[in-house]
Formats: sequence, structure tokens, C-alpha cells
Amino acid sequence: EDQVTQSPEALRLQEGESSSLNCSYTVSGLRGLFWYRQDPGKGPEFLFTLYSAGEEKEKERLKATLTKKESFLHITAPKPEDSATYLCAVRDPGGGNKLTFGTGTQLKVEL
Amino acid sequence: EAQVTQNPRYLITVTGKKLTVTCSQNMNHEYMSWYRQDPGLGLRQIYYSMNVEVTDKGDVPEGYKVSRKEKRNFPLILESPSPNQTSLYFCASSLSTRIIAGELFFGEGSRLTVL
Repeated sequence: EDQVTQSPEALRLQEGESSSLNCSYTVSGLRGLFWYRQDPGKGPEFLFTLYSAGEEKEKERLKATLTKKESFLHITAPKPEDSATYLCAVRDPGGGNKLTFGTGTQLKVEL
Repeated sequence: EAQVTQNPRYLITVTGKKLTVTCSQNMNHEYMSWYRQDPGLGLRQIYYSMNVEVTDKGDVPEGYKVSRKEKRNFPLILESPSPNQTSLYFCASSLSTRIIAGELFFGEGSRLTVL
């Protein structure tokens, strides 16, 4: 069964303190890895799609990278408004349209 | 404004009392799906639909029913709710050409408590 594991479960940063979130997966034949942001009391919001090892995507202070075994979400000089839970998901390798989500990393950025 | 709308947002009910959580999207999306989110378990798919009259089971379909009679609506039906269905429920939608890119639009969630 597909496994998506995110670490750490929670992360507290000072404003401006860069760090990385990890998403490791055991899917064979990856058909896409996706990052979402979820604010408290809200539904997840799509951020990035990565398909192949070496691929990178950027959006403001966020950069997502992908290797053959894991993905990283790098947060550069974070601000308090970056505080959220970040979820990663992988697509069913059988070609279906099911996404398997990790349990997320809860990020808090303090002044 | 493009959105996925769920109702009710909050509901407390009792075991066995049938309920329906509605989901409607205004983006003309073919694909719609229901997820439940539980602490420590993450988001798990209940049912999904690729288009009108086409539905399929996700990972945790037991105790739930869905229907897709119109493109914009995808209601989730709990025929006889039980306490283990207490959860936060999300409806999501996507274009069929974008679901392969994992690009889902989520509603704001419906928090259900079954006593």
C-alpha cells in the first residue's frame, strides 16, 4: 500500500529562520507528488505538482523539490502568514485518480 | 467567485439519524470527491466521481453513499450514522484534465459529530 510520511509533525520557526519540511513516499512508479497548504478551519489549498526527480517549483518563499524517495518543501525567510499545515500527496501509481495524503507538518512562524 | 460549497458546516446528530452533506461547485468540474480528515490519519478518500452518473469507492467507503445526478452537485449520504463517522469532511473538485496534476479545489469542510 502507498505510504506517504511527513516530518516533522510540527515545526516552530522564528520569522526569517529558513527550514525544510520532508515528505517521503514508498510508491513505486511515482505519477506525481503534490503539496497543499491548509489553514485552520479551511480546506487544503493546492500549491505544487512535481513529476520527476530533480524537478523544482517555486512560489514566493516556498520551493518544492523532488528526489526518487522524497520531496522537500523549503521555506526561505518565513513570515507569520506562512503558518499553516502543509500536506503532501501522491497519485495512485496504477493510473487512477486517487490521491494519498500524508498527515502533514504543522508550521508556526513567530515574530 | 470560483468555489466549492458544503452544507452544513457544522452538525451534531445522533446515531442512526440519516443525514446528507451537500457539495456544490461552480467551476464546471468533471471530477468530484469526498474526503474525511481525522487526527493522525490525514485525509482519506471516501468516494469520487469522474463525471455525472459515474462514481467509485475510495479508501473508506463503508457507511457512506453518494450520487452524481448533476455535474455541479455531489452529496454525501450517511444512511445510519455511527460515532466512528465523527470527523471533518471535505468535498473537492477538479477538471478531468487537471486531476492528473493533483490540482484539487477543496470546500471549507463540514464538521460532523455523531453522538
